[in-house]
Amino acid sequence: KAGVTQTPRYLIKTRGQQVTLSCSPISGHRSVSWYQQTPGQGLQFLFEYFSETQRNKGNFPGRFSGRQFSNSRSEMNVSTLELGDSALYLCASRRTGGNTEAFFGQGTRLTVV
Amino acid sequence: TQLLEQSPQFLSIQEGENLTVYCNSSSVFSSLQWYRQEPGEGPVLLVTVVTGGEVKKLKRLTFQFGDARKDSSLHITAAQPGDTGLYLCAGNAGGTSYGKLTFGQGTILTVHP
Repeated sequence: KAGVTQTPRYLIKTRGQQVTLSCSPISGHRSVSWYQQTPGQGLQFLFEYFSETQRNKGNFPGRFSGRQFSNSRSEMNVSTLELGDSALYLCASRRTGGNTEAFFGQGTRLTVV
Repeated sequence: TQLLEQSPQFLSIQEGENLTVYCNSSSVFSSLQWYRQEPGEGPVLLVTVVTGGEVKKLKRLTFQFGDARKDSSLHITAAQPGDTGLYLCAGNAGGTSYGKLTFGQGTILTVHP
C-alpha cells in the first residue's frame, strides 16, 4: 500500500513569488493536514481538509491557503513568499473521523531566497 | 491553546544506556502519538496511546500515557546507535480537532557506539 506522497521534494523560490505544493494521501484516507516545520518553531499545524472542506485552521496568515479535491488529493499554496517561509512542509493523512492515526509524507523542502 | 512541553531537548548517551523522554501538558488529550523523524524526512509513527494509564511496548521502547491523559513518556532500554533521531510527541484534542496535532518541540537523541 503506497504511503503519503508529496511533490515536489525540493523547491527554491524567490521572495514575492508564489508556490503550490501537492499531497496525495494514502488510498482510502479522506483527511489531509498540513504542517510547517522549522528549527525554531518545530512542527506547527497549518490546516486540515476533509471531504474537500477546510475543517481546522492554524494561526498562519492568509498567504497560506489550501484545497482538497474529490479524490482527497490536496494542494497547499503560499503567496507572496517571505524568507521566513523557508521550511519543511509536511502533509499527513488520516482514514476518516474519530481518533485515527496520522501518517506523514516525506515533506517538501522549500527554500526562499 | 494547547501546548506540549517535551524534555529533554537534547540527549547524548552511550550505547547500552537507558533513557526517558517526557511530554507534559496542562491540557487533556484524546490521544497522544509518538513519532521518530530522520533528517529531511517526514515523521514516522511509532505508537498511539489513547487510554489514561495505558502502557505500550514496542521491542525496547515503552510508552506510557498518564492517568489524566495530560502527559506521556517514552522509555528506551539499552539504546542502540540505530535509535538516533528526533523523537516527537503529538497530542490530539479530539472532537472536531481530530485532524490537528499539537507537537512537542522534540528530543534529539544521539546514541554513540
